[in-house]
Amino acid sequence: EPEVTQTPSHQVTQMGQEVILRCVPISNHLYFYWYRQILGQKVEFLVSFYNNEISEKSEIFDDQFSVERPDGSNFTLKIRSTKLEDSAMYFCASSEWGRVGYEQYFGPGTRLTVT
Amino acid sequence: DQQVKQNSPSLSVQEGRISILNCDYTNSMFDYFLWYKKYPAEGPTFLISISSIKDKNEDGRFTVFLNKSAKHLSLHIVPSQPGDSAVYFCAATYLSSNTGKLIFGQGTTLQVKP
Repeated sequence: EPEVTQTPSHQVTQMGQEVILRCVPISNHLYFYWYRQILGQKVEFLVSFYNNEISEKSEIFDDQFSVERPDGSNFTLKIRSTKLEDSAMYFCASSEWGRVGYEQYFGPGTRLTVT
Repeated sequence: DQQVKQNSPSLSVQEGRISILNCDYTNSMFDYFLWYKKYPAEGPTFLISISSIKDKNEDGRFTVFLNKSAKHLSLHIVPSQPGDSAVYFCAATYLSSNTGKLIFGQGTTLQVKP
């Protein structure tokens, strides 16, 4: 069964450093998303992406964040200058063409620890 | 932002009995609702969904009920199995926005005892 993959599974970085979290969505999906979950809190929407453009972003997704689909398979989230409060699980998700807003398929997540 | 709430942080049931997980929402613009299950160290897995034009959707052991006037939905699992032990998230979205943004509740940890 096709699945969303994410790398790395765990990233430790120092405050102020740039990190890039990588995702490979399901191959025939066209809508891509990033969510995060701070320990003990709810899963929060960060951004949705379609046709090489951001469709919607949350207020969390400020100028320090960016997303990119550099090729036909990868979808990346970059945090330019990490802060302690960026420590969280980051989940990538994707959904099929014509199914935006319907079921999204999530990857296993990347645990980001900012020290 | 508490648009989607799951007021019970945990639920414990015996194997074979019914599990009922509840979710409330405040925004009447939501028109599609989903339940996700999450095991430790894994991402959320889609379980079942319901459109706001329906009041019930069933898939095997899982049934979701929607009461629009009360802005309440529930997930019934019958019969419950130990493998159902996980965190269950309710989520809501506006299909009309065409962006796919899901708004999640805080989750309910279900423990099914053998």
